[in-house]
Amino acid sequence: DGGITQSPKYLFRKEGQNVTLSCEQNLNHDAMYWYRQDPGQGLRLIYYSQIVNDFQKGDIAEGYSVSREKKESFPLTVTSAQKNPTAFYLCASSVAFSEQFFGPGTRLTVL
Amino acid sequence: EDKVVQSPLSLVVHEGDTVTLNCSYEVTNFRSLLWYKQEKKAPTFLFMLTSSGIEKKSGRLSSILDKKELFSILNITATQTGDSAVYLCAVTYSGAGSYQLTFGKGTKLSVIP
Repeated sequence: DGGITQSPKYLFRKEGQNVTLSCEQNLNHDAMYWYRQDPGQGLRLIYYSQIVNDFQKGDIAEGYSVSREKKESFPLTVTSAQKNPTAFYLCASSVAFSEQFFGPGTRLTVL
Repeated sequence: EDKVVQSPLSLVVHEGDTVTLNCSYEVTNFRSLLWYKQEKKAPTFLFMLTSSGIEKKSGRLSSILDKKELFSILNITATQTGDSAVYLCAVTYSGAGSYQLTFGKGTKLSVIP
């Protein structure tokens, strides 16, 4: 089946730890995105990548890092510099400038 | 300042009612407007609009874009309890030499029997 997978579904982190969220797609999409969603809020763009080995900061990139070494994969690292990382994280992919398809999300909780 | 504003933020209707959700935007170099439905999981795509005045329709849902007045509406007729969700509007535009996308905060629709 074609689609986007994210893992893990739930993640718990201690303060001061870095954690990496996985996002994989087999849709052959060039563009991939990471969003953060807080309760009662819309989606806010963290990072996006339009091609392999290139990525751009979104509106709230501070405290996050990404890599795009393969077309299929766009992992997001939440670093200890992110002051309030507890949130629902969504990964998406698209053909450029077209509708985005979302993964199932990862819920990160900082203990 | 929010570039994409959705209204109302929440709405409660009875089954069978018709609802209209609004999305206004203020961006330069507009490319497209997208509507998504989000239940308790990832958003699912509904419509992408790029041209003014052309209605997109899927079953009981329809949407139209007005690029002059910078807004879009999403209509749902004969609502059902399964329509209960958060409806998200997003706008794509070109900015600073790169692609930009911004979501609104969403409209939470609750359909009661």
